[in-house]
Amino acid sequence: SQELEQSPQSLIVQEGKNLTINCTSSKTLYGLYWYKQKYGEGLIFLMMLQKGGEEKSHEKITAKLDEKKQQSSLHITASQPSHAGIYLCGADMEYGNKLVFGAGTILRVKS
Amino acid sequence: DVKVTQSSRYLVKRTGEKVFLECVQDMDHENMFWYRQDPGLGLRLIYFSYDVKMKEKGDIPEGYSVSREKKERFSLILESASTNQTSMYLCASSLWGLAGGPGEQYFGPGTRLTVT
Repeated sequence: SQELEQSPQSLIVQEGKNLTINCTSSKTLYGLYWYKQKYGEGLIFLMMLQKGGEEKSHEKITAKLDEKKQQSSLHITASQPSHAGIYLCGADMEYGNKLVFGAGTILRVKS
Repeated sequence: DVKVTQSSRYLVKRTGEKVFLECVQDMDHENMFWYRQDPGLGLRLIYFSYDVKMKEKGDIPEGYSVSREKKERFSLILESASTNQTSMYLCASSLWGLAGGPGEQYFGPGTRLTVT
């Protein structure tokens, strides 16, 4: 969706390196969901953010929603091959029970 | 654990055929969704349903219809399949979130449909 832009579209990192994926909205975000998808499979929920400035972590993945609630970042520390996949952000933009999704970021981790 | 299952992982159909994609969830979720996923376009919502027999058009409903006769089951129907409907189809379900907003969506494994 053009309402929700993800960057970069793809990246390749060396194992052990840190990386950041961004999700930017043209509107206020009332909730932001991060998902991970292995190629050819369904989406796995990672975490959800609702409050401006909120930050959550799961293992080596940290996500933050900025104070203005229009951008979220997903940061992976010391990347591993198991982190490879497609990362998608989904946003509650007050369209009822629908989420708007970004186009996704393809992550490859080189050993 | 929430489980969302889809009837087929891979499907090959001919142009003009009627295609049924089935989705079943086992967590008594009110909301169910059908998306298609294409490279560079992300997930696009086709239809969703917030109750039995209720349906709402998503962003790209043309060429599709849906059916929800039971709470746990949501079917996507391609009335006359065309090559531009070749895609990955993902089903999801959710409860209502806080204050009536969207809750966390749980996804099925996807059906990769090829129309020749």
